[in-house]
Amino acid sequence: GAVVSQHPSWVICKSGTSVKIECRSLDFQATTMFWYRQFPKQSLMLMATSNEGSKATYEQGVEKDKFLINHASLTLSTLTVTSAHPEDSSFYICSARDGQGGNEQFFGPGTRLTVL
Amino acid sequence: QKEVEQDPGPLSVPEGAIVSLNCTYSNSAFQYFMWYRQYSRKGPELLMYTYSSGNKEDGRFTAQVDKSSKYISLFIRDSQPSDSATYLCAMSLFQKLVFGTGTRLLVSP
Repeated sequence: GAVVSQHPSWVICKSGTSVKIECRSLDFQATTMFWYRQFPKQSLMLMATSNEGSKATYEQGVEKDKFLINHASLTLSTLTVTSAHPEDSSFYICSARDGQGGNEQFFGPGTRLTVL
Repeated sequence: QKEVEQDPGPLSVPEGAIVSLNCTYSNSAFQYFMWYRQYSRKGPELLMYTYSSGNKEDGRFTAQVDKSSKYISLFIRDSQPSDSATYLCAMSLFQKLVFGTGTRLLVSP
């Protein structure tokens, strides 16, 4: 149980284009989903928290107009990187918290974004 | 000062050794303590989840929390080459997780 999927697993795009990453909870309903980014050999940094049906809460320093988050259902959240630039290249990982369970967060496999 | 401190390693041990991984933290308000394992280019996998001081055992893994010292540990018994990964401690305050930098573990056959 507690499986979280992400799609795509990797993506390469040109500078200036937008990229959408999907995060799905496969066997539970996730009232809260989280988006992280991780640079090589560094830890996970929380970007934003999203609750189903409401606007995401962004961490300080994260541009909400650049990283658009939508949590339209209890099993799906999307992160859109708009007008991507090479410095946005990173490993993006989502996690989900089971609305019926405790405080554990279950992570997706991550999406590697490379912006040329 | 970071909220969570963790030695990045790498920590190299022979197969069968007992491994000790540690984190210290500064915020006494942290409520839950977790250990995740992350293989290269993969998402973190939850190993252990605790919320009180003391020990919790699951198979070869034992998580230890000492809230008075703000110190948590993960012990791995009979370590295997397949345990080679980065181990991240994480602590939660309300619903947010704060991660350590991760310790890279290498178990040689």
